[in-house]
Amino acid sequence: AQTVTQSQPEMSVQEAETVTLSCTYDTSENNYYLFWYKQPPSRQMILVIRQEAYKQQNATENRFSVNFQKAAKSFSLKISDSQLGDTAMYFCAFMKHDNTDKLIFGTGTRLQVFP
Amino acid sequence: SQTIHQWPATLVQPVGSPLSLECTVEGTSNPNLYWYRQAAGRGLQLLFYSVGIGQISSEVPQNLSASRPQDRQFILSSKKLLLSDSGFYLCAWNSGGGTQPQHFGDGTRLSIL
Repeated sequence: AQTVTQSQPEMSVQEAETVTLSCTYDTSENNYYLFWYKQPPSRQMILVIRQEAYKQQNATENRFSVNFQKAAKSFSLKISDSQLGDTAMYFCAFMKHDNTDKLIFGTGTRLQVFP
Repeated sequence: SQTIHQWPATLVQPVGSPLSLECTVEGTSNPNLYWYRQAAGRGLQLLFYSVGIGQISSEVPQNLSASRPQDRQFILSSKKLLLSDSGFYLCAWNSGGGTQPQHFGDGTRLSIL
């Protein structure tokens, strides 16, 4: 069975600085997808970024980028130029490539951005 | 564009009462549909998923059930609520195919008294 681990329950960063959130996972699959979701205080779940395991190139979305290390089963999220609106819970999620598309979530990291 | 609607947003129910939460998706056909529960300060736990009408898979044993009476409608139900059913419930969809991310509704905060 697959597992996703986020070892940082809470993180904080000053506005305009850079922060990295960690995520590791365990799987025997070779073909899968990884995601970072953001849950602000409104509790909406918002997709931040996705990574296909077969792609070596790290995904980027504006200020958000990932460091995907397939051999190490690591998938960290880097937020550059942090903004107050980045304050949220961040969840790492794993999806095996099958017809169910089930997501397995980590326990989340609460990120606080300070002015 | 595709949208997902989930209601009600907030619900307070007494122990032992029935439950019905509804989720509908617009702008797509034959989506995969999912129900998650999020306990306070915790991650998301998958409760049910459906890859087609009438097809329901349960991930954890529980007091809840799910149904998919129409292609884009997913309902979470209970005949008798327990205190442990309290939590934040999220519905999600994706287009299937093993490559697409899930998109979430706004959630229902359920409090059991």
